[in-house]
Amino acid sequence: NAGVTQTPKFQVLKTGQSMTLQCAQDMNHNSMYWYRQDPGMGLRLIYYSASEGTTDKGEVPNGYNVSRLNKREFSLRLESAAPSQTSVYFCASSERGGFYEQYFGPGTRLTVT
Amino acid sequence: AQSVTQLDSQVPVFEEAPVELRCNYSSSVSVYLFWYVQYPNQGLQLLLKYLSGSTLVKGINGFEAEFNKSQTSFHLRKPSVHISDTAEYFCAVERDDKIIFGKGTRLHILP
Repeated sequence: NAGVTQTPKFQVLKTGQSMTLQCAQDMNHNSMYWYRQDPGMGLRLIYYSASEGTTDKGEVPNGYNVSRLNKREFSLRLESAAPSQTSVYFCASSERGGFYEQYFGPGTRLTVT
Repeated sequence: AQSVTQLDSQVPVFEEAPVELRCNYSSSVSVYLFWYVQYPNQGLQLLLKYLSGSTLVKGINGFEAEFNKSQTSFHLRKPSVHISDTAEYFCAVERDDKIIFGKGTRLHILP
C-alpha cells in the first residue's frame, strides 16, 4: 500500500498562475483533507471531503477550490496564486471524520514569487 | 469551541533525559485528544490518542500522555529521549467531526 500520495513534491509559481495539487489514497477511506502548514501556525484546514461527492470549507478556504474526483482522489486548485499561498500543503485521509486516525501524504512545498 | 494550546514552541533536552511537552485544551464537553509527530521533511503520523477510559495513554516509540480533566491538559511524556525523537509534535482535538491542531512544539535533542 502506498498510503497517501501527493504530486508534485515541489512547485514554484509566479503570482497569478494557476495549478492543481493532486492527492490519492489507496486505503478506501471515506474522508479526505487538505491542510497548509506555515511556520508557527501549525496545520490549518483548507477544505475537506467527508465522503465521495461532498466537500466543505475549512478554516482558510479563500483562494482555493477542491474536487473530490472519486473515492480515491481529492485535488486542490489555486486559480490565481498569490505570495501569501507560499506554504507546505498536506493531504490526509481517514476512514471517517471525527476521532479516526488521519494518514498524511509527504507534502507539496509551494513557492509563489 | 474546542481548541488546543501548546505552551512551548521549542523544547531542548539532552539525549537520554526525560521530556514533557505540554498541551492544554478548551472544552466543556467530552473530548477526543491526539498527539501527532512530524519528522523532518515528512507528513504527520499519529503518536497516540485519548477517546475514553484510562487517562494514561501509551503510544508508539515509548511516548505516553495523561488526560487530566480537572486541569484540561493532555501532556506528552517520554522517560528517556533519543536523537531519533527530533521532530515537531502537534497536540490536536476533535471538533465538529474534524481535527484541530495546535501550533506545534519542536523537540531538539542535545548530544
